[in-house]
Amino acid sequence: KAGVTQTPRYLIKTRGQQVTLSCSPISGHRSVSWYQQTPGQGLQFLFEYFSETQRNKGNFPGRFSGRQFSNSRSEMNVSTLELGDSALYLCASSLRQGGGNEQFFGPGTRLTVL
Amino acid sequence: GEDVEQSLFLSVREGDSSVINCTYTDSSSTYLYWYKQEPGAGLQLLTYIFSNMDMKQDQRLTVLLNKKDKHLSLRIADTQTGDSAIYFCAESGVETGANNLFFGTGTRLTVIP
Repeated sequence: KAGVTQTPRYLIKTRGQQVTLSCSPISGHRSVSWYQQTPGQGLQFLFEYFSETQRNKGNFPGRFSGRQFSNSRSEMNVSTLELGDSALYLCASSLRQGGGNEQFFGPGTRLTVL
Repeated sequence: GEDVEQSLFLSVREGDSSVINCTYTDSSSTYLYWYKQEPGAGLQLLTYIFSNMDMKQDQRLTVLLNKKDKHLSLRIADTQTGDSAIYFCAESGVETGANNLFFGTGTRLTVIP
């Protein structure tokens, strides 16, 4: 079974631009979560989608948004990029929603904002 | 809010045991996880433990949970150079009703040949 895939793997943008990242979960998994990893803040939860609905959201500004499609693939969007948005963005998929479900992470998209 | 703490660095000699420690504050945490991250890669789930368990063993990995002290540890037996990585502990609670994990800062394990 293929793992979680994320595209693109690397991205360079400039301040003020917007970016869209994509995540394809493991086949059959319906929950997709997004995390931001930075050296200063570590790993922080962005949001979770299940059955095309955002189920939970972390403490991030409204510039960060996402969506999930009927095939469970998910995208996240960051508008008006800031230098501090430079990070590794990780997507995780799990079979179901709720604590205790094994989450499988993709390799991440490394975003650099210049 | 949830606060998960880990020591930042650990060095061990190849063949020795490694013990990585983690403390957490959320008493409602129900599931506790250990993830491994190698350079340039995502997170690999190593193991997880339900809060009503004290110990879980999986091949070279042993997880110990002291719920009273909110202390979690991961022991890696016969540590190999391929175990060099950053190890994260994470918690989630059933009450949150969601999959969001709260991660520690990560412990960078260096295995000396």
